[in-house]
Amino acid sequence: VQLVESGGGLEQPGGSLRLSCAASGFTFSDYSMNWVRQAPGKGLEWVSFISSGSTTIYYADSVKGRFTISRDNARNALYLQMNRLRDEDTAVYYCARDRYYFDSTGYYRWFDPWGQGTLVTVSS
Amino acid sequence: EIVLTQSPGTLSLSPGERATLSCRASQGISYRSLAWYQQKPGQAPRLLIYGASSRATGIPDRFSGSGSGTDFTLTISRLEPEDFAVYYCQHFYDSPPFSFGQGTKVEIK
Repeated sequence: VQLVESGGGLEQPGGSLRLSCAASGFTFSDYSMNWVRQAPGKGLEWVSFISSGSTTIYYADSVKGRFTISRDNARNALYLQMNRLRDEDTAVYYCARDRYYFDSTGYYRWFDPWGQGTLVTVSS
Repeated sequence: EIVLTQSPGTLSLSPGERATLSCRASQGISYRSLAWYQQKPGQAPRLLIYGASSRATGIPDRFSGSGSGTDFTLTISRLEPEDFAVYYCQHFYDSPPFSFGQGTKVEIK
């Protein structure tokens, strides 16, 4: 099971970038996926969620209206289109598989695995 | 929106000592919706615990989780050199955002 992000780089404020996450070793179309970011020296911030069939999508308020999550199950790929970038979007962006299961007590959920991350730097 | 507060911010301990990390939720959450991750410098986070107390595959039994309601704990019974890292809790209760605590750094004393 592996997730590999790409597409990061240096972009000016107001610009755009498209991140990709290539999945392998599992049936990608069976799983929901997430993007999580980490600003330099800071903690983890959940960014966005997409269900396995793209029917349910969520965003953090900090990126809503600027970022778009999507996926291509035929290509085993997850994407994050980042528009109107701001300085505060500078971070390492990770993709993470959404896992859950049900038992007699209820519903459990977690992220596993995570990709190695791709660095996005927004600066003039 | 549920806020997770981790304490302490930094824990200075020696190898072999016991580490106790706290994660407090701003409102009661199901224990099933609480996970813990370990992150080492330059690496991605790694799942340690899900459902507040279930160890992920391959995680040594010196790591244990407990708690319910608003108070959750990650315990490392005897610190090994590779355990010095930053630890984050995360919740999945109700609707997004699936927020994280701010992290606890376990450093070598």
